[in-house]
Amino acid sequence: KQEVTQIPAALSVPEGENLVLNCSFTDSAIYNLQWFRQDPGKGLTSLLLIQSSQREQTSGRLNASLDKSSGRSTLYIAASQPGDSATYLCAVRPTFSGGYQKVTFGIGTKLQVIP
Amino acid sequence: SAVISQKPSRDICQRGTSLTIQCQVDSQVTMMFWYRQQPGQSLTLIATANQGSEATYESGFVIDKFPISRPNLTFSTLTVSNMSPEDSSIYLCSVMTGGYGYTFGSGTRLTVV
Repeated sequence: KQEVTQIPAALSVPEGENLVLNCSFTDSAIYNLQWFRQDPGKGLTSLLLIQSSQREQTSGRLNASLDKSSGRSTLYIAASQPGDSATYLCAVRPTFSGGYQKVTFGIGTKLQVIP
Repeated sequence: SAVISQKPSRDICQRGTSLTIQCQVDSQVTMMFWYRQQPGQSLTLIATANQGSEATYESGFVIDKFPISRPNLTFSTLTVSNMSPEDSSIYLCSVMTGGYGYTFGSGTRLTVV
């Protein structure tokens, strides 16, 4: 059974700092990994989707890397801003073998960027 | 990617009542997924809704408690029935997008008193 862990559970940084969020998973047989942002009481907003054959994806100030063999992904946020304050979740989809493949979500890292 | 409109965004309900949550997608999709996120927890899949067939429920979730409708390829509803305070959660609908990623609705924050 796939398990997804995100460390740290919470993080507080001053504005402008670069930071790294971690996601680890126990089963390396994944199809892809997706990073989401969630504001309090709201839905999930997709940030980056990395396929198992890729090493990283970039979007603006965000960069996500994937090391499938070691079961790890990182989300790098450059020059953090107060608007980045949210909970960041990663989700892992298992290898496709027909039919719907159940996605496993981490609990998330709650980020606070202090002005 | 698809855009999902979910409503209501939040509600406060009395125990013993029911709430129906709606999700409208701006494109046709085969499967829609309903999730629950309890306070401080990760997302748990409730059921998968396919148009024209009964929803498939995950272990621990039953149709009598969480009836789902899927009348067409762009719309689905989830009803939370006979609510108790333990049903207080964020409920989310989701669809698959390109590359087998996922897009989510804006969530329904339910509080049962």
